[in-house]
Amino acid sequence: QKEVEQNSGPLSVPEGAIASLNCTYSDRGSQSFFWYRQYSGKSPELIMFIYSNGDKEDGRFTAQLNKASQYVSLLIRDSQPSDSATYLCAVKHYGGSQGNLIFGKGTKLSVKP
Amino acid sequence: NAGVMQNPRHLVRRRGQEARLRCSPMKGHSHVYWYRQLPEEGLKFMVYLQKENIIDESGMPKERFSAEFPKEGPSILRIQQVVRGDSAAYFCASSPQQQETQYFGPGTRLLVL
Repeated sequence: QKEVEQNSGPLSVPEGAIASLNCTYSDRGSQSFFWYRQYSGKSPELIMFIYSNGDKEDGRFTAQLNKASQYVSLLIRDSQPSDSATYLCAVKHYGGSQGNLIFGKGTKLSVKP
Repeated sequence: NAGVMQNPRHLVRRRGQEARLRCSPMKGHSHVYWYRQLPEEGLKFMVYLQKENIIDESGMPKERFSAEFPKEGPSILRIQQVVRGDSAAYFCASSPQQQETQYFGPGTRLLVL
C-alpha cells in the first residue's frame, strides 16, 4: 500500500528561524511531489511542487527531493507567525488511470512571535 | 479567474438522509478529484472523474457513495442514507490534465446528526 509519512508535530519555531518539514514515501514509482499548506478550517493551498532530485526554491520556501532515499522536505526561511498552519506532503504516481494525490497526515507548524 | 467552487460550504443532515455535494472546476480544467478529510486525519482520495467518465473510483466506499461529472454542470458527490461516520470535510480539486497540479476548492463540511 502506498503511504506517505510525516511527523504530526507540533513543530514549534521562533519567528525568523528556519522551519524544516520532512516527509517520506513508500512507493518508488512516485514521480511528483507537492507541499500544501492548510490553515485550520480551510482548504489545502499549493505551496510548491517538485519533480526532480535536488532543491527547488521559491521565495522563502525550498523543496528538497531525494528519490533514492524516498524523502522530500520543505524549508521555510525567516518563518513568520502567519506561516503557522498544517503542512501536507502529497505524492502522485503516474500510471494507468491513477491521477490522485496520496497525502500524509500533515505536520502542524507553530511560529512563535 | 474563479477558482474551484464548491457548494454548499456547510451541510447538516440527519441519519438516513441524502447529501449532495457540488463542485465546479476551475475554468479550463476538465479533471475533477474528490477527497475526504476526517477530523484529525489526512486527506483521502475518493474518486477521479472527467466529463461523463469515472476514471478511478478506487477510494470510494462500496455502498451509498456515488459521483458524476455530467457534460453540462458541476460534478456531484452523492451520499445516500448518511451515517454519523460520514461527517467530514469533502474537498474537490481540479486540474487541466491528469499529470498537472491539482487546485482545491473551499470544501463542504458535512455534519450528520
